[in-house]
Amino acid sequence: DAGVTQSPTHLIKTRGQQVTLRCSPKSGHDTVSWYQQALGQGPQFIFQYYEEEERQRGNFPDRFSGHQFPNYSSELNVNALLLGDSALYLCASSLWDEQYFGPGTRLTVT
Amino acid sequence: EDQVTQSPEALRLQEGESSSLNCSYTVSGLRGLFWYRQDPGKGPEFLFTLYSAGEEKEKERLKATLTKKESFLHITAPKPEDSATYLCAGDRGSTLGRLYFGRGTQLTVWP
Repeated sequence: DAGVTQSPTHLIKTRGQQVTLRCSPKSGHDTVSWYQQALGQGPQFIFQYYEEEERQRGNFPDRFSGHQFPNYSSELNVNALLLGDSALYLCASSLWDEQYFGPGTRLTVT
Repeated sequence: EDQVTQSPEALRLQEGESSSLNCSYTVSGLRGLFWYRQDPGKGPEFLFTLYSAGEEKEKERLKATLTKKESFLHITAPKPEDSATYLCAGDRGSTLGRLYFGRGTQLTVWP
């Protein structure tokens, strides 16, 4: 079992650009959540997808959007990037009561 | 406001010196309390979920306990490989959803 996988590992973008991050959940998991983790902080919830619908959303602007595909994989899109969007973006998949995280994508906005 | 607070922010222990990490929460209608371990530059690794006051769970040198207002992660005779940031999180509602994370405790165990 490969666990939760994310791509790319690292990404450097310029302010104002758009970025797409990808996540494949752990085998058998149907729910995907995305978190943003700034340096020295705990992860902050962005949103959660279940059955291809956004089920919950945290306090993030509409520049952050997502999608879940029929195979449960997911994408996180961020438009009009700001310097403050630089962070580790974590994907987590869950089934019932255990949530497993991927290795993250390190996004740097210059 | 739903909040999770962890203390101390950083802890240095000598190998074999047992201690406890604290997680206090004000998540209304808390359903589960989660503990994760995170190594630098990596994703959090799931350790435990606790659901009710008085519940305890163990894994190797780690034991997590839960009261109505806080949770403790006890580390017995730690080794250098236990060095990591330990994160606590709570969720509410009927199914596993948004996790409210604390800022973590950075643990360093020196030989």
